[in-house]
Amino acid sequence: AQSVAQPEDQVNVAEGNPLTVKCTYSVSGNPYLFWYVQYPNRGLQFLLKYITGDNLVKGSYGFEAEFNKSQTSFHLKKPSALVSDSALYFCAVRDRAGRRALTFGSGTRLQVQP
Amino acid sequence: EAQVTQNPRYLITVTGKKLTVTCSQNMNHEYMSWYRQDPGLGLRQIYYSMNVEVTDKGDVPEGYKVSRKEKRNFPLILESPSPNQTSLYFCASSLRGDEQYFGPGTRLTVT
Repeated sequence: AQSVAQPEDQVNVAEGNPLTVKCTYSVSGNPYLFWYVQYPNRGLQFLLKYITGDNLVKGSYGFEAEFNKSQTSFHLKKPSALVSDSALYFCAVRDRAGRRALTFGSGTRLQVQP
Repeated sequence: EAQVTQNPRYLITVTGKKLTVTCSQNMNHEYMSWYRQDPGLGLRQIYYSMNVEVTDKGDVPEGYKVSRKEKRNFPLILESPSPNQTSLYFCASSLRGDEQYFGPGTRLTVT
């Protein structure tokens, strides 16, 4: 079975500082990895994905994520946080060879203080 | 505009009264899915469909039914809702099951 862990319920960071939102995963084969963001009263929006290739993936709104196979991690990063980045972030995984169902983590609330 | 629509957006109902939440996408996507979102649990998949007339259970299918008679529509049916089905529901679609496009959500309350 595939699973995702987001160890932090909330991450607080000051505007202009770098941010990291952590994600670790477990799948039986090679993973497809995703990050989604949810703003209040909205559906989830796709941020970025790792399929294959370069371990550093760049996505929307200046976010990037680093795939680390040995640590089974896919942490979300941004060099300089904005107050508007405050939202709920979800990591998701699916097994490349398995059923096409995404498994989501429990979510991390990012709070960026002005 | 490419989008996934859900109706209704908000619904309050009573235990045992059958209801249907509709989902429609205009992107000609093959893959569609239903999730429920509960605090601290993230999103959990209820059912998914890889094409017309092809559906399969997700992680929490009990108490739900789906159908996929047309490519664009994927309704979620609760034949006898119970209070533990009070949740925020999302429909999603994608071309190959990877990058998914989510609807705006349906907040369901069962009393």
